[in-house]
Amino acid sequence: QVQLVQSGSELKKPGASVKVSCKASGYTFTSYAMNWVRQAPGQGLEWMGWINTNTGNPTYAQGFTGRFVFSLDTSVSTAYLQISSLKAEDTAVYYCAREWGNNWFDPWGQGTLVTVSS
Amino acid sequence: QSVLTQPPSVSGAPGQRVTISCTGSSSNIGAGYDVHWYQQLPGTAPKLLIYGNSNRPSGVPDRFSGSKSGTSASLAITGLQAEDEADYYCQSYDSSLSGSGVVFGGGTKLTVL
Repeated sequence: QVQLVQSGSELKKPGASVKVSCKASGYTFTSYAMNWVRQAPGQGLEWMGWINTNTGNPTYAQGFTGRFVFSLDTSVSTAYLQISSLKAEDTAVYYCAREWGNNWFDPWGQGTLVTVSS
Repeated sequence: QSVLTQPPSVSGAPGQRVTISCTGSSSNIGAGYDVHWYQQLPGTAPKLLIYGNSNRPSGVPDRFSGSKSGTSASLAITGLQAEDEADYYCQSYDSSLSGSGVVFGGGTKLTVL
C-alpha cells in the first residue's frame, strides 16, 4: 500500500540543525510532488512548500526561506527536510505529504516531532 | 491568521448533523480553486476526507459530504458518531500579487456531546 514513513522525534539545542526523512513506498516516487507541512503545538496546519520529485526543484512558502531546505534521494525514494539555526519557535510536528491532482494531499507521513530546547 | 476562515469549534449530539464552513476570497476559493478537507484525530496525522470539493476517497463513509459555492465551502457530517470527534481542516490554493501556494483553514474542533 502507499505509505510515507518519517524519521523519529528529535531533540535539538537552539542553533543546531536537524534533518527529517520521509521514505515513500507503494508507488513511483518521482511521479508525485512531495509537500511539507508544519504543525506547532496546539496549532493548525501550515504549508511549508513542495519539491518536484522529478527535477528536485524546491518551492518554499513565505516564512520558510533561508533556513529550510527540501532535498531528495530518489535512489531510496526518500525526501528530506533540513532546518538549520534552529530556534525555539521551530518546535513542531513536521509532516510530509504526497500531492495528488489539484493540490490535495494523500497520504501523509506519521509526522516527526522536532523539539528545540536548551 | 489563516487565509481560509473556519469556526474554531462546533458540536453536536450523536446522530445529529453538523456543518463546518470554510470561507475564502476571490484569490482562492472564489478564483475556482478546489477545496479539500482533512480529518485529524487526536495525536495522529491528518487524513484526506474530501477532495475536489465534494469527492470522497475510498473508505470514507458517505456520512461525510462536501460542497462549494462562491468564495466558501462546507463540510457536512450526518449521523454524528463518537469517533468523528476530531479537528477538521479545509485546504485550497491561493494566487495573488504577493505570491501563490497552498493554504489551510485554521481548523475546527468537532465535539460529539
